[in-house]
Amino acid sequence: DAGVIQSPRHEVTEMGQEVTLRCKPISGHDYLFWYRQTMMRGLELLIYFNNNVPIDDSGMPEDRFSAKMPNASFSTLKIQPSEPRDSAVYFCASRQNTGGSRETQYFGPGTRLLVL
Amino acid sequence: GQSLEQPSEVTAVEGAIVQMNCTYQTSGFYGLSWYQQHDGGAPTFLSYNALDGLEETGRFSSFLSRSDSYGYLLLQELQMKDSASYFCAVLDSSYKLIFGSGTRLLVRP
Repeated sequence: DAGVIQSPRHEVTEMGQEVTLRCKPISGHDYLFWYRQTMMRGLELLIYFNNNVPIDDSGMPEDRFSAKMPNASFSTLKIQPSEPRDSAVYFCASRQNTGGSRETQYFGPGTRLLVL
Repeated sequence: GQSLEQPSEVTAVEGAIVQMNCTYQTSGFYGLSWYQQHDGGAPTFLSYNALDGLEETGRFSSFLSRSDSYGYLLLQELQMKDSASYFCAVLDSSYKLIFGSGTRLLVRP
């Protein structure tokens, strides 16, 4: 398997523009997570899905952020409008349901977002 | 609230042994995970402890004491490539991973 795939790998945009980040989880994984990483706040969970259904979006910072998972192999995280403080590395991760015996999340390479 | 405490930085010599600690206070607890992240890279899974005791995987060992809300990651026979950040993460009652701020390990020759 190719692992978790994210695109784009780098994104530079101007304040006010819409940004869409994409993720393809590992085939067969039931859970998909979106994280944001900054020096100040560390690694934060934004939202996660189970079987394509959003389970917990309490980490989504504002209404400007939205996430969808239309099918088991694709998810998007959208920021509209973007602001400079959204600059961060955004990771997507996926996990297979193992009945709680082992908790292993596989992270994608991340999207490095810079909002000017 | 939820909090995980890790030392910010540790330095060790190649070939030595290093222990990185993690203490936590979370709402519910299923287990403690450890992830490694190299600069510019993604976090990669190292270990998971759901029960008290020591888990060993090659040069890496992870320990958990649920009664003390404490765990550690032990790296033996340190190599230069082990220089990275190491994060502990608690799987809480909502089945979410809550990450600590990480320990930056620098391995010197």
